[in-house]
Amino acid sequence: GQNIDQPTEMTATEGAIVQINCTYQTSGFNGLFWYQQHAGEAPTFLSYNVLDGLEEKGRFSSFLSRSKGYSYLLLKELQMKDSASYLCAVMDSNYQLIWGAGTKLIIKP
Amino acid sequence: IAGITQAPTSQILAAGRRMTLRCTQDMRHNAMYWYRQDLGLGLRLIHYSNTAGTTGKGEVPDGYSVSRANTDDFPLTLASAVPSQTSVYFCASSDRAGEAGELFFGEGSRLTVL
Repeated sequence: GQNIDQPTEMTATEGAIVQINCTYQTSGFNGLFWYQQHAGEAPTFLSYNVLDGLEEKGRFSSFLSRSKGYSYLLLKELQMKDSASYLCAVMDSNYQLIWGAGTKLIIKP
Repeated sequence: IAGITQAPTSQILAAGRRMTLRCTQDMRHNAMYWYRQDLGLGLRLIHYSNTAGTTGKGEVPDGYSVSRANTDDFPLTLASAVPSQTSVYFCASSDRAGEAGELFFGEGSRLTVL
């Protein structure tokens, strides 16, 4: 079956760096997405990786290794507003998105 | 700037009742989707539409139906609601049907079936 694994919850300190991991097993691969979802709100797009390597976008970076079925989202200079759930999703060979359950990130002052 | 609008925002419904969740987008996106989100689970696709006039079943379609009469509207109907359909429902759209593209989500409809 298809599976996306990510930690349920992580805690980090304001100003620090945190890495949220995502591993996947899917039928084919057409890219990996990261979305941010604040409590009670809609998910919003953060990043898309289809080739191996690191994509940097401001304080957020996303890494992909297709051979390892692995990605991470790196958040630098954490701010309180970064407290949210981070959703990893993989697009399979049929261009269907398979979603992880999300990682709840708690930022402490 | 509207993007995607869902209605109602929240609803409590008696089991056995019929319910339609409305979704309208003003971005002229071809593809639209309905997901449900439950605690501890990833978003699960209920139904989708790659273009007006066509629909398809997702991962959990049973008990739900959709229609896509035009580009903008994609309502989701629960013919006879059951408690297991208690969830938060998100409508989403993309300008790339059948390709990798960013999804734009509505604010969600929280449905409780008693």
